[in-house]
Amino acid sequence: KQEVTQIPAALSVPEGENLVLNCSFTDSAIYNLQWFRQDPGKGLTSLLLIQSSQREQTSGRLNASLDKSSGRSTLYIAASQPGDSATYLCAVNFSNSGYALNFGKGTSLLVTP
Amino acid sequence: GAGVSQSPSNKVTEKGKDVELRCDPISGHTALYWYRQSLGQGLEFLIYFQGNSAPDKSGLPSDRFSAERTGGSVSTLTIQRTQQEDSAVYLCASSLVGTGSYEQYFGPGTRLTVT
Repeated sequence: KQEVTQIPAALSVPEGENLVLNCSFTDSAIYNLQWFRQDPGKGLTSLLLIQSSQREQTSGRLNASLDKSSGRSTLYIAASQPGDSATYLCAVNFSNSGYALNFGKGTSLLVTP
Repeated sequence: GAGVSQSPSNKVTEKGKDVELRCDPISGHTALYWYRQSLGQGLEFLIYFQGNSAPDKSGLPSDRFSAERTGGSVSTLTIQRTQQEDSAVYLCASSLVGTGSYEQYFGPGTRLTVT
């Protein structure tokens, strides 16, 4: 069974810290990997999409890396702010599962002032 | 332009009733997806449309669940004879082309509560 795992499940950091969220997946044959943000009671906001041929993507204070061979991705958040508090979800589009995204259970991030 | 929209935002229904959930994808997006988010289960895929066709229905949990898409745009997810375990947030997403290379954009979801 293809699985996506996110560690840690929850994280609390003081404002201004740099932090890393981890995602691992069980099959290196992927189309792409997408990182999302979900605020309580809301839908998902796409943060970054990394194609299987790419190693990383950057958007503002966010940087996502992809290492297919080891089945890992990281989301790096620089200079964290209280507004970054949310649940971060990693989703993988495995090559042999059609176009469905397979989601991890998320990392709940709290940035304290 | 407008993002993915879903209606209703909340739905409370009695066990055994049928419900219909609606999704309006981003204009021009040919691929449409339904997912379900349950407490403790995370997000799970239900069904995928390319145009009006559903080449992948593998995630539908039972034959009580069905979906259709008309005019390559609006989609409706129907749950017949609802059960308490159907309570969840139902999320719809769309992408430009269902090739696996394009971002999926999600709507705000419909929170379904079966009493």
